[in-house]
Amino acid sequence: TQLLEQSPQFLSIQEGENLTVYCNSSSVFSSLQWYRQEPGEGPVLLVTVVTGGEVKKLKRLTFQFGDARKDSSLHITAAQTGDTGLYLCAGFYNFNKFYFGSGTKLNVKP
Amino acid sequence: GAVVSQHPSRVICKSGTSVKIECRSLDFQATTMFWYRQFPKQSLMLMATSNEGSKATYEQGVEKDKFLINHASLTLSTLTVTSAHPEDSSFYICSARGEASENEQFFGPGTRLTVL
Repeated sequence: TQLLEQSPQFLSIQEGENLTVYCNSSSVFSSLQWYRQEPGEGPVLLVTVVTGGEVKKLKRLTFQFGDARKDSSLHITAAQTGDTGLYLCAGFYNFNKFYFGSGTKLNVKP
Repeated sequence: GAVVSQHPSRVICKSGTSVKIECRSLDFQATTMFWYRQFPKQSLMLMATSNEGSKATYEQGVEKDKFLINHASLTLSTLTVTSAHPEDSSFYICSARGEASENEQFFGPGTRLTVL
């Protein structure tokens, strides 16, 4: 079982649509991060959320950290084909171990 | 930003041979390095955590005698896949965390291992 569960696992939408990806855990994290990964490459950090209830915006992407610091969400407004990729939440657990979520594969169709 | 390199980027080997993958932090000292394995269409799975100068801590289900990790210096960690088998074929990614920020780590570009 994964420490961080993401939903949905796959998402295929049309360009211009909005979407939300969820990252949930039964454990408390001191911070959570969101990454995007292209095939054959390492993950690229998008954002780090640290404070419970925190909301961060990165252009069309909005990230939220749950009040209890057990969950997070990523919302994309007006998706573009360039947003296609694997989105991963991740966080440090017990300080010295870093775990990734189960991943959400997003496909944005033109 | 900090840069982490991996070498080789791709390797093909015969079953039964050993393969060494290097992970280097190029412009910072990495007190902790992490090794991940990623199968196609799946997320990254943590294999082990290594701290410079000490033994690596392996995740449950990861054979420490098969996946040898050495973190001999603050800029280099190596993962050796011993007696490789086709099921070890995967994308191996390392990351490094420096002393500056406990929340920040930097990822290497990954190594694609194919065992024939």
